[in-house]
Amino acid sequence: KNQVEQSPQSLIILEGKNCTLQCNYTVSPFSNLRWYKQDTGRGPVSLTIMTFSENTKSNGRYTATLDADTKQSSLHITASQLSDSASYICVVSFTTSGTYKYIFGTGTRLKVLA
Amino acid sequence: DADVTQTPRNRITKTGKRIMLECSQTKGHDRMYWYRQDPGLGLQLIYYSFDVKDINKGEISDGYSVSRQAQAKFSLSLESAIPNQTALYFCATRGQGYTFGSGTRLTVV
Repeated sequence: KNQVEQSPQSLIILEGKNCTLQCNYTVSPFSNLRWYKQDTGRGPVSLTIMTFSENTKSNGRYTATLDADTKQSSLHITASQLSDSASYICVVSFTTSGTYKYIFGTGTRLKVLA
Repeated sequence: DADVTQTPRNRITKTGKRIMLECSQTKGHDRMYWYRQDPGLGLQLIYYSFDVKDINKGEISDGYSVSRQAQAKFSLSLESAIPNQTALYFCATRGQGYTFGSGTRLTVV
């Protein structure tokens, strides 16, 4: 069964600290993996996209890694800021019968405290 | 202006009422989607459309209908709203990746 699981479900950190969010998937055949940031009451916004051959991708203080062998991805946030408080959603796409499908994880809710 | 615009942003309606959520986009994308988001469940696909003449059911289409009036417009209707349809609804387009609207918070009382 194609699934995307994220951990932890929620996380609280102090401003300036680093954190790492995890995404494990069982999707096959894998096409790509995206991390989205969703501010409260807003729609998700794309942070990074990685294909099978990419191990790491950075977007400012956000760095995503992908291990296609173990089917794991992580999103590392460096020097967290209050504005990083949001939900982070991992989305994995795969192809079936020539059509792209997308599976959304349930997200990690991050709270950054001053 | 936002690439994907949803109206209304918030709506409270009574059980049994018909309600329409509207979505318009300026991305020029053919593919449009309606998702529902409930706490702890992530985003669930309701309906999607690959062009004006192509409408497809998603995972949870029961109780919903859609209309693709033009490439830029994709509306979601609840013919007879029920309380368990209380949720956050997102419209999205897809090009290289998804672009989401800001969401509609619907409460059915």
